[in-house]
Amino acid sequence: DTGVSQNPRHKITKRGQNVTFRCDPISEHNRLYWYRQTLGQGPEFLTYFQNEAQLEKSRLLSDRFSAERPKGSFSTLEIQRTEQGDSAMYLCASSRDRTNEKLFFGSGTQLSVL
Amino acid sequence: AQKITQTQPGMFVQEKEAVTLDCTYDTSDPSYGLFWYKQPSSGEMIFLIYQGSYDQQNATEGRYSLNFQKARKSANLVISASQLGDSAMYFCAMKGVFTGGGNKLTFGTGTQLKVEL
Repeated sequence: DTGVSQNPRHKITKRGQNVTFRCDPISEHNRLYWYRQTLGQGPEFLTYFQNEAQLEKSRLLSDRFSAERPKGSFSTLEIQRTEQGDSAMYLCASSRDRTNEKLFFGSGTQLSVL
Repeated sequence: AQKITQTQPGMFVQEKEAVTLDCTYDTSDPSYGLFWYKQPSSGEMIFLIYQGSYDQQNATEGRYSLNFQKARKSANLVISASQLGDSAMYFCAMKGVFTGGGNKLTFGTGTQLKVEL
């Protein structure tokens, strides 16, 4: 396993700007997840994909957030018109499509909205 | 809905001693899985151990063991022979058969463990 890769590691942006993060999962993993983690909290589920299909979205994922996984490989998470409340660590994870399969996480993208 | 509760914001343990990190859960799912992850300061979540709700025996993985008490809805992590490298944030998480679509996990708020010399 080469591991889950996320880019960039850090992103600083001004309020109102759009940002996009990329996640490259472990190659044989069909499932891909996005989580958000704020300081002192555990990760909160945002959305997940089975191959290219986005199967579930959390209520946390407002209309300003969009995620894609166009060819069932890498995924992007875009936040439009960023707000200060969007400042958080955005974690990507992947897994095989078997029940109770463990998730492998990337190192995350730390977003700071000024 | 699922809920994970970790009541210990921070724990200290001396090197080579054992430590127990508490986790209680609440779910209406008849079948579920419980996970523990470690998050060092680098940010990456590292899988430690898994327990299925119908597993007869408590899970063990090297120095990690899970003290699973189904009736009490607790899934405490025991780390034996603590090492300095064990200093990190530890998260308990669960997935329900009906509420954890696609292996989606619900996490607790975590326990910050500090191993001292």
